[in-house]
Amino acid sequence: SQTIHQWPATLVQPVGSPLSLECTVEGTSNPNLYWYRQAAGRGLQLLFYSVGIGQISSEVPQNLSASRPQDRQFILSSKKLLLSDSGFYLCAWSVQENSPLHFGNGTRLTVT
Amino acid sequence: QKEVEQNSGPLSVPEGAIASLNCTYSDRVSQSFFWYRQYSGKSPELIMSIYSNGDKEDGRFTAQLNKASQYVSLLIRDSQPSDSATYLCAVKSRNNNDMRFGAGTRLTVKP
Repeated sequence: SQTIHQWPATLVQPVGSPLSLECTVEGTSNPNLYWYRQAAGRGLQLLFYSVGIGQISSEVPQNLSASRPQDRQFILSSKKLLLSDSGFYLCAWSVQENSPLHFGNGTRLTVT
Repeated sequence: QKEVEQNSGPLSVPEGAIASLNCTYSDRVSQSFFWYRQYSGKSPELIMSIYSNGDKEDGRFTAQLNKASQYVSLLIRDSQPSDSATYLCAVKSRNNNDMRFGAGTRLTVKP
């Protein structure tokens, strides 16, 4: 069966510090991979999605970036965090074009 | 105009009642529709998928889709306190691989 691993679970970082969140999927090949952010009490905002290695689609211009160095690995990065980057970051995967997304447990990021 | 719209609630129903959650979407080429449940502090979990017009039932849950009206709903029968959560409507377009979410409806089931 497929599983998705996302870490860390919680993170507190100062403004201006770098960020690296990692997500890996097991049990499937060539998944579509996604990064979402959820601000407190808000809906899910799509940040990036990827249909293959090195293929990244960006939805929102911001100081975040994403990379997919391996088929089942998706990384979210920032060189300098802003206060507004605080939120609940969710990685997700899907198999086919019409299939649902399956989420990791998320990373709660607090920028201080 | 928001792509996926839901009433934010909160929606409160007594235990045993039917909870009705509604969602509208703007992209006419949307092809796949999903309902997720999200408990506070947790990640969303999939409840239902629906792809064609009509009703789809799974246990106490029924999803309804009307593509002409660009409307999808979720009915929860015999609501339980454990159903108290935020319910997210999600839509996938035929032309893209991304999935768009509504802001969610918070449901409270009172014992």
